[in-house]
Amino acid sequence: KAGVTQTPRYLIKTRGQQVTLSCSPISGHRSVSWYQQTPGQGLQFLFEYFSETQRNKGNFPGRFSGRQFSNSRSEMNVSTLELGDSALYLCASSVNQETQYFGPGTRLLVL
Amino acid sequence: GENVEQHPSTLSVQEGDSAVIKCTYSDSASNYFPWYKQELGKRPQLIIDIRSNVGEKKDQRIAVTLNKTAKHFSLHITETQPEDSAVYFCAASKNTGNQFYFGTGTSLTVIP
Repeated sequence: KAGVTQTPRYLIKTRGQQVTLSCSPISGHRSVSWYQQTPGQGLQFLFEYFSETQRNKGNFPGRFSGRQFSNSRSEMNVSTLELGDSALYLCASSVNQETQYFGPGTRLLVL
Repeated sequence: GENVEQHPSTLSVQEGDSAVIKCTYSDSASNYFPWYKQELGKRPQLIIDIRSNVGEKKDQRIAVTLNKTAKHFSLHITETQPEDSAVYFCAASKNTGNQFYFGTGTSLTVIP
């Protein structure tokens, strides 16, 4: 099976802009989780979608949102970008409530 | 919510020696504890996991132990090799969906 894919892989934006990241899970996986990875904070949970519904949410401001489509693909949106949003954004898919398979990530740089 | 602490943040060992990374968690309801390895510029990869009904699990040179009473779990790598050099993350979750809480990572360097 093909692994988890994320697009785009790299992105440069300026403060105040918004951005949309995409994640395609492994075929058959209905759960997609999103994480923000920064050198100082490690991996921080943003949210998880299962069957098009947000099932869990981390402690991030409302500028971070997401959605999941009927084919399990998921998008994450960040509005009004801040310098501190520069990070590697990882998504992970799972077929159960345990093993997660990560995508390669989207590296976002906010200038 | 859950809080996972991981120590040490950096670890250097000689090739062939053992490496131990420790994590503690705060939520006694957590029942699944995976360990991920992330090589530079690559995605995290699951290397071993343990469930709360098991005290120890081993896979070749890698083992994980869990002490539910003390709420801590550890990763043990024996006979380390240079290719074990990477950042290792522990995580904890409970059966309420895929909400994982990660430790801050341990950068392991194996010196040839």
